Amino acid sequence: DTEVTQTPKHLVMGMTNKKSLKCEQHMGHRAMYWYKQKAKKPPELMFVYSYEKLSINESVPSRFSPECPNSSLLNLHLHALQPEDSALYLCASSLDRGAYEQYFGPGTRLTVT
Amino acid sequence: GQSLEQPSEVTAVEGAIVQINCTYQTSGFYGLSWYQQHDGGAPTFLSYNALDGLEETGRFSSFLSRSDSYGYLLLQELQMKDSASYFCAVSDTGRRALTFGSGTRLQVQP
Repeated sequence: DTEVTQTPKHLVMGMTNKKSLKCEQHMGHRAMYWYKQKAKKPPELMFVYSYEKLSINESVPSRFSPECPNSSLLNLHLHALQPEDSALYLCASSLDRGAYEQYFGPGTRLTVT
Repeated sequence: GQSLEQPSEVTAVEGAIVQINCTYQTSGFYGLSWYQQHDGGAPTFLSYNALDGLEETGRFSSFLSRSDSYGYLLLQELQMKDSASYFCAVSDTGRRALTFGSGTRLQVQP
């Protein structure tokens, strides 16, 4: 199984809502990542988890809160988002942190109204 | 920090060969990767170079010159399905995370 799954595919939320994005992989990868991607832009790294511990936080606003419950799951909790946070949120995993080959999920298309 | 430069758009015809260049600046360079992303899709890994030279994977090849901080992706026998965005990405020994270039949008015409 070389797949990274993400739910939901699409999410529309108001600025006062709380929602969560979920990501799952069963490849035994020990590193998992959250990226944000705006239209016609490259993926922008947000968080890196290595062996279920947060390794990198790219100065992301606290309205984004990551969580890694176990080695297969990665969540991104969203609260009080702004319209400019509307984007495609991609989850990825790799064998370990720094590996050049990352496997990306299909992403969650988030719209903040 | 890291910075990468690649052309924003390239157009080519079916059956042709196209080269997408990437120059980078980074400390603690570890390797250069290439990813493909179709519209509405997820990035998928294509190729990786840690050492100078050419790596070939089917119709795609990637080249690296560490002394010139330069690499390229070569796509041969272009097909319509190759129309996509192509990103180069560097990994470094310090941060140990990928930094993506701005992407090159390849349009293959019949």
